[in-house]
Amino acid sequence: AQRVTQPEKLLSVFKGAPVELKCNYSYSGSPELFWYVQYSRQRLQLLLRHISRESIKGFTADLNKGETSFHLKKPFAQEEDSAMYYCALAFSGGYNKLIFGAGTRLAVHP
Amino acid sequence: DGGITQSPKYLFRKEGQNVTLSCEQNLNHDAMYWYRQDPGQGLRLIYYSQIVNDFQKGDIAEGYSVSREKKESFPLTVTSAQKNPTAFYLCASRLRELGGYTFGSGTRLTVV
Repeated sequence: AQRVTQPEKLLSVFKGAPVELKCNYSYSGSPELFWYVQYSRQRLQLLLRHISRESIKGFTADLNKGETSFHLKKPFAQEEDSAMYYCALAFSGGYNKLIFGAGTRLAVHP
Repeated sequence: DGGITQSPKYLFRKEGQNVTLSCEQNLNHDAMYWYRQDPGQGLRLIYYSQIVNDFQKGDIAEGYSVSREKKESFPLTVTSAQKNPTAFYLCASRLRELGGYTFGSGTRLTVV
């Protein structure tokens, strides 16, 4: 069965420290992976999509098919990065339904 | 201004009553989805619809019902059969194979 695992419920770092939010998935086919972010009192919004291979707000994520991982990284955390982050998996092709991990709350302290 | 609109933002329901949450999009997206968000459990898929007059159950469909009579609308009914309906409900849509999903701002349902 398809599954997304985010092992950390909370990640607490100081401003300027590197950040890595872990995401592992299980899917036998060709995955489409996303990172979504939810800032306080705002709607869920797309942060990254693995197909586009772009960097948004200094965040990057690389799909590692061997380790079935899609970890989110940022070299220097900022206080405004504090939010809830969700990793999500869509099945390849068609109107894919999106499966979410449980989420990781990132808290960046001054 | 294109997007997804969910209403109402807050909803209170008495036990034993059905209640309908609205989701409207003007993005011309084909697929629409309903998720339930609970603390520590992420988002769980309730129902999804790929085209008008067609929808499929997600992982936690019991106690919920939907309809898709128009492309832009995908209302969710929380029935009295739903044992634990108090939650935050999110609607989303997607244009086929293009871009990510667009989410609404959510409806917080509380059963009193």
